[in-house]
Amino acid sequence: AQSVTQLGSHVSVSEGALVLLRCNYSSSVPPYLFWYVQYPNQGLQLLLKYTTGATLVKGINGFEAEFKKSETSFHLTKPSAHMSDAAEYFCAVSDTGTALIFGKGTTLSVSS
Amino acid sequence: SAVISQKPSRDICQRGTSLTIQCQVDSQVTMMFWYRQQPGQSLTLIATANQGSEATYESGFVIDKFPISRPNLTFSTLTVSNLSPEDSSIYLCSVDAGPGADTQYFGPGTRLTVL
Repeated sequence: AQSVTQLGSHVSVSEGALVLLRCNYSSSVPPYLFWYVQYPNQGLQLLLKYTTGATLVKGINGFEAEFKKSETSFHLTKPSAHMSDAAEYFCAVSDTGTALIFGKGTTLSVSS
Repeated sequence: SAVISQKPSRDICQRGTSLTIQCQVDSQVTMMFWYRQQPGQSLTLIATANQGSEATYESGFVIDKFPISRPNLTFSTLTVSNLSPEDSSIYLCSVDAGPGADTQYFGPGTRLTVL
């Protein structure tokens, strides 16, 4: 069965600092991997996804993630945090792109 | 990407009543999904709804509690029946991005509070 583990339910960074949100997955087949962001009182917005091809995936708002099969990881990074990045971030896995399995989420706080 | 709207955006309901949530998409889509996000928790898939067929429910979710309709390719409803405080959650619908698509787009969610 597929599962997703997000390490750290809450991450705090200073504005301008590196953002690193960790995600590890388990899947018996090559997975599709996703990062979604949820701003307060809003729905989920797709940040980026990995399906096939290049393992370094660039998304919106300067975020990127690297698929590392050997480490079963798909960590999300951003070189320089902005106040507007404060939100809840969800990693998700699927074997077909449907029926997403979500991690528990990581709350990102950005301080000035 | 699809534009998805949900009604109502939030509601407060009494125990034992039911709430029907509507999900409208601005384009025709094959698959629609309903998720639940309990307070402080992640999203859990309730069911998958295809037009013209019965919804497929995930383990732990049953049709009597969460009846779903899918009358056409742009609309679906989820009813949460016989409400209890444990049903207080955000309910989100999502759609796939087309045949063979590998992405889902989400609506803004419906925040339900049961007293």
